[in-house]
Amino acid sequence: AAGVIQSPRHLIKEKRETATLKCYPIPRHDTVYWYQQGPGQDPQFLISFYEKMQSDKGSIPDRFSAQQFSDYHSELNMSSLELGDSALYFCASSLGVRDREYYYYNEQFFGPGTRLTVL
Amino acid sequence: GENVEQHPSTLSVQEGDSAVIKCTYSDSASNYFPWYKQELGKRPQLIIDIRSNVGEKKDQRIAVTLNKTAKHFSLHITETQPEDSAVYFCAASLPRQAGTALIFGKGTTLSVSS
Repeated sequence: AAGVIQSPRHLIKEKRETATLKCYPIPRHDTVYWYQQGPGQDPQFLISFYEKMQSDKGSIPDRFSAQQFSDYHSELNMSSLELGDSALYFCASSLGVRDREYYYYNEQFFGPGTRLTVL
Repeated sequence: GENVEQHPSTLSVQEGDSAVIKCTYSDSASNYFPWYKQELGKRPQLIIDIRSNVGEKKDQRIAVTLNKTAKHFSLHITETQPEDSAVYFCAASLPRQAGTALIFGKGTTLSVSS
């Protein structure tokens, strides 16, 4: 079965440079999430999109921006990179289906991640 | 906002023993509680989830229990095997809209020795 695709898988940047991470959701999935995971830490939610509109927002720095395109893929743009931005960045996708209780109990399928190293 | 606490941070068991991981959440409105397994350098993968209208859910060797009154939920793994060794994360959310974030606990590193 098709899974979430992330590119690049590894990225090395210098401080103050910019980076763009790409995420291609599972076919038919209309919801994309971005999480940041530091070494030995839990995934921290950054931002999500549903049907190309921002849905939820977490601890995303102002230096970061993201969007979801018409084909549902998403890009996370990171500027003025800092050493502390070094982490694994996961994209997850889900199908935004509401159940009878009007909740979206949709499993989030995670991609393989992009390992960003800032030197 | 929601806060999830997870205990223990590390857990070592012998193959065949049971393992229990506990989580508490702060927002009484949260109603969705998934558990993810993450092997070193790999992606988190959902192993089981539970909604607040259910007190217990079981899938083969894995079970999850939920106590809404106490605001805590637990993962139970029976007959542990070496391949169960990984980091386990609990999470909580109130998915009123598509794209609702999962709030994760700090994780439990489970080591199963043979």
